[in-house]
Amino acid sequence: DAGVIQSPRHEVTEMGQEVTLRCKLISGHNSLFWYRQTMMRGLELLIYFNNNVPIDDSGMPEDRFSAKMPNASFSTLKIQPSEPRDSAVYFCASSPGQRMQYFGPGTRLTVT
Amino acid sequence: ELKVEQNPLFLSMQEGKNYTIYCNYSTTSDRLYWYRQDPGKSLESLFVLLSNGAVKQEGRLMASLDTKARLSTLHITAAVHDLSATYFCAVGDFGNEKLTFGTGTRLTIIP
Repeated sequence: DAGVIQSPRHEVTEMGQEVTLRCKLISGHNSLFWYRQTMMRGLELLIYFNNNVPIDDSGMPEDRFSAKMPNASFSTLKIQPSEPRDSAVYFCASSPGQRMQYFGPGTRLTVT
Repeated sequence: ELKVEQNPLFLSMQEGKNYTIYCNYSTTSDRLYWYRQDPGKSLESLFVLLSNGAVKQEGRLMASLDTKARLSTLHITAAVHDLSATYFCAVGDFGNEKLTFGTGTRLTIIP
């Protein structure tokens, strides 16, 4: 199994630009989680989906962030407009439901 | 709101020694996980603990869970350099899939 796939692995963008992060789940998993990791705040859950439906988005920082799951195997996290404080590593994780979450390699986002 | 505390935050130990990392959580949970993260890498799953008294072991690492005390421990036996990493515990919200992660313990094994 290829594991969770994320793209891009690194993204450098200027403040005000739109950023889209992508994630492909492990085949057979039905839950998808987006996390953000920073030195100051640690690992934070932003949003999670179950069977393509957003279940909890209470961790999404503000309206500039949006996440979608257009099908059972793929999700996007969009930031528009981006700000320097959004710089972080964004992880996607998938799970077969109330079990261990398997993390992707992460996207390191730098907003200048 | 579920809160998860790990201690210590930083741990530097010599090869061959034993030590324990502690993970305390604030409310009832039905599952607890341990993960490892190497610098610049993703999180690797280590253990899942589902019941009071559960114990899991893999090599020099052993994890245990006391749900009554809301405490999990990760014990390192005869540490070797390859175990240097940051270790996270994560506690599941009761009745849903959310995980709350601890702050992490950065472990450095000194030869």
